[in-house]
Formats: sequence, C-alpha cells, structure tokens
Amino acid sequence: SQTIHQWPATLVQPVGSPLSLECTVEGTSNPNLYWYRQAAGRGLQLLFYSVGIGQISSEVPQNLSASRPQDRQFILSSKKLLLSDSGFYLCAWSVRVEKLFFGSGTQLSVL
Amino acid sequence: QQQVKQSPQSLIVQKGGISIINCAYENTAFDYFPWYQQFPGKGPALLIAIRPDVSEKKEGRFTISFNKSAKQFSLHIMDSQPGDSATYFCAADLTGTASKLTFGTGTRLQVTL
Repeated sequence: SQTIHQWPATLVQPVGSPLSLECTVEGTSNPNLYWYRQAAGRGLQLLFYSVGIGQISSEVPQNLSASRPQDRQFILSSKKLLLSDSGFYLCAWSVRVEKLFFGSGTQLSVL
Repeated sequence: QQQVKQSPQSLIVQKGGISIINCAYENTAFDYFPWYQQFPGKGPALLIAIRPDVSEKKEGRFTISFNKSAKQFSLHIMDSQPGDSATYFCAADLTGTASKLTFGTGTRLQVTL
C-alpha cells in the first residue's frame, strides 16, 4: 500500500534561519507531488507541485523553493525564514488526477 | 482568479442533527468537486466527491448536493456525531490539470452531545 512520510511534525525556527522539510512517498511510482500551506482561516494554499523529477511549478511567489531530487522525494526549502512563513505545511501526492493523499503535516513556527 | 467560496466558517450542531456546509465556485470549467475532512494535527483526507453530471451523491451519512446552474454545491451530514467534529474543505478541480485542486477556506464543525 502507498504511504507518505513527512517530517518533522513540529519545528520552531528563528527569523532568518534556513528551512528544509522533507516528504517521501512509498508504494507508488511517478506520483504528482505537492506542497500546501495551511494558515488559520485561509484554507489550503498550493505552494508548489511537481509532475516529475526536476520539474517544479510554483503557484505563489515567495521566499520558499521546492526540489524533487528523486521520483518519490519532495523537499521544501528556504534560505531565510520570515515571520509570515509560519503555518502548517502539508505534503501530498496523487496518481489519479482527482484524489490527493496528504501527509500528516509540519507545524512551523517562526519566532 | 479561480475561487471556491465556503461557508460558514464554523458550525455547531447537536448530536443527531444535520450539518450543512455550502460552497460556490466561479469557473464553469471545473468538473470535479471533492470534500476533504481534516482532524486536528492531521492532513486532510478525501471524504466524498461528485461530478457535475449528477445532482446528488450519497455515501452513508454524507451527501453532496450539486446545483450546476447556480454554481453551488453543499455537504450534508445526517445524524451528526461527535466523531464528525473536524474541519471540512470543499474543493474544485479541472480534470487533466495534474490535480491542482482549488480549496475553500474550510468549515470547523463541532458536534455537541
């Protein structure tokens, strides 16, 4: 069966520090991969999506970036975190175009 | 801009009652409308979905009603239970676009005893 791993579950970082969140998917090949951010009262905001290795599409311009070094690995990064980067970050994957499977999320607090 | 507007923001329903969450969309090209359920500290999970060729879809206590002409759809939870307490997101998608779901802002449902 397919599983998605996302870590860490919680993270507290100072303003200006770097960020690296990792997500891996098991049990499937060539999935579409996504990074979403969830802020209170603002729903789920799509940040990046990828349809293949090295193929990244950005939905929202910001100081975050994403990379897909392997077929089932998706990484969200930042060189310098801002206070506004705080939020709940969710990785997701899909094979069928309709159904998204989400990871358990990372609660990021930038102080 | 493609948007999905969801209401209410929060909802309190007594056990056994009916919970109703509404969504409206703008892009008439959307052809897939899922609902996701999210428990605190967890990622959302697909609950039920509908395509615009039908006006209603029912799975257990959960029903989606779809009004294509009004560009609206809603989730009805019959016989609401405390275990249904969660945040619910509606979404809309354009099939064939790598599943770039457009989500509503979410409704926090609390079912009281």
